[in-house]
Formats: sequence, structure tokens, C-alpha cells
Amino acid sequence: GAVVSQHPSWVICKSGTSVKIECRSLDFQATTMFWYRQFPKQSLMLMATSNEGSKATYEQGVEKDKFLINHASLTLSTLTVTSAHPEDSSFYICSARDFENQPQHFGDGTRLSIL
Amino acid sequence: AQTVTQSQPEMSVQEAETVTLSCTYDTSENNYYLFWYKQPPSRQMILVIRQEAYKQQNATENRFSVNFQKAAKSFSLKISDSQLGDTAMYFCAFKGGNYQLIWGAGTKLIIKP
Repeated sequence: GAVVSQHPSWVICKSGTSVKIECRSLDFQATTMFWYRQFPKQSLMLMATSNEGSKATYEQGVEKDKFLINHASLTLSTLTVTSAHPEDSSFYICSARDFENQPQHFGDGTRLSIL
Repeated sequence: AQTVTQSQPEMSVQEAETVTLSCTYDTSENNYYLFWYKQPPSRQMILVIRQEAYKQQNATENRFSVNFQKAAKSFSLKISDSQLGDTAMYFCAFKGGNYQLIWGAGTKLIIKP
């Protein structure tokens, strides 16, 4: 089946640093990738959608300069949380799909803790 | 705008029992997809089952089946012979013409030994 690898699974860093999260599709071409944020005991909140080779489309209220998304290839997208602060601490999940009518396949998520 | 509603924040059943999770949605579209995803404590999102709206037959995957009522805009998930490993958050999701997933709030399912 389709596999999406997300790395790292857990990161702890100091306030003010930037953190990069990678999302890779291992056995299919991810035309579209999605980045979600999930707060404890809540559903997934879509942050942005990225198509390979294009700029990401951000959801309302998500700061583009804070959450930088790059989708330069059909198998890799990255989310960089710039100048992270404690309020950015959360669980971030990526997903990917090849065609529009196909299901999204999810990575295992990244737990980000900013001290 | 489409919405997805899961009215049961939490449910618990004994192992081997059957449990049904509710999901309703609102849309004006005629062609769409519905999904149930499972998120165990490990927090990985796992696709449990999917249903295309144009198909009248309810989808089935082993112990998991759905009751899709298009007119009522209802999409419930039935888990038969529940197992301890079924303990997880279950999310209902809708995908319409813009091909983005709209998520329900989730139902926490606890299977008791």
C-alpha cells in the first residue's frame, strides 16, 4: 500500500529556533501534499495544501511566513516552523495523494515541543 | 459549506461486541466521497473504509462496514466483533468537488477487555 514517511517523529527545541519537518511518499508520486495541525483531543486542522512545483495554498489564519512549505519534488514536501515559540507546540501531520479522486495517505506525525 | 458532525464524543463497549459510530454531513453536492479514519494512541491516521456517493452498496472491509444513507446524509460505521486494538479515535471525513477533506470532531472509542 501507499506509504508516507514523516520525519522527525518528535522534536524538542528552544524558543526562537527553526524546525524542519519532512514528508516523503515512498512508493507513489505525491502530486498533492497536505499539512495538518492537531491539538490534543481535537480533529485535524488543515494548514496548507501544496502541489508539486507550485506555491502552497494556506488556509485562512495560517501565517505563511511562520510556516514555510516547500514541495519541490513529487516525493518530498517540507514544513519549516520559523522562529518557533511555545504556542507553536503541537502535533503536525502530513498527508499525500497522487490523484484527486484517491484517498489521502498519512504520515505518522511529528510532535513538536518548543521550550 | 460542507460540514461533518460526529455527535458521540466518546463510546465504550466490551470486547467482541458490536458498536456503531454515527456521522452526519451536510452538502449540496451530488458526487462526493466519505471516509472513516482511525487514529490509535500512536496517532497515525489509518484509513478504515471509504464510500463513493454514487454507489448504493454499502462498503465493507472485514469487520468494518458502513450504513450509507444518502438522502439522510448519514454515514455510520459499524465495527463487529470489536477487538482491543480497535481502541482509537475515529474520524469521519467528507471529500467533495474541491477534493479537500472535511473532518468531523471525532469519536473516542474504548474497547474494554
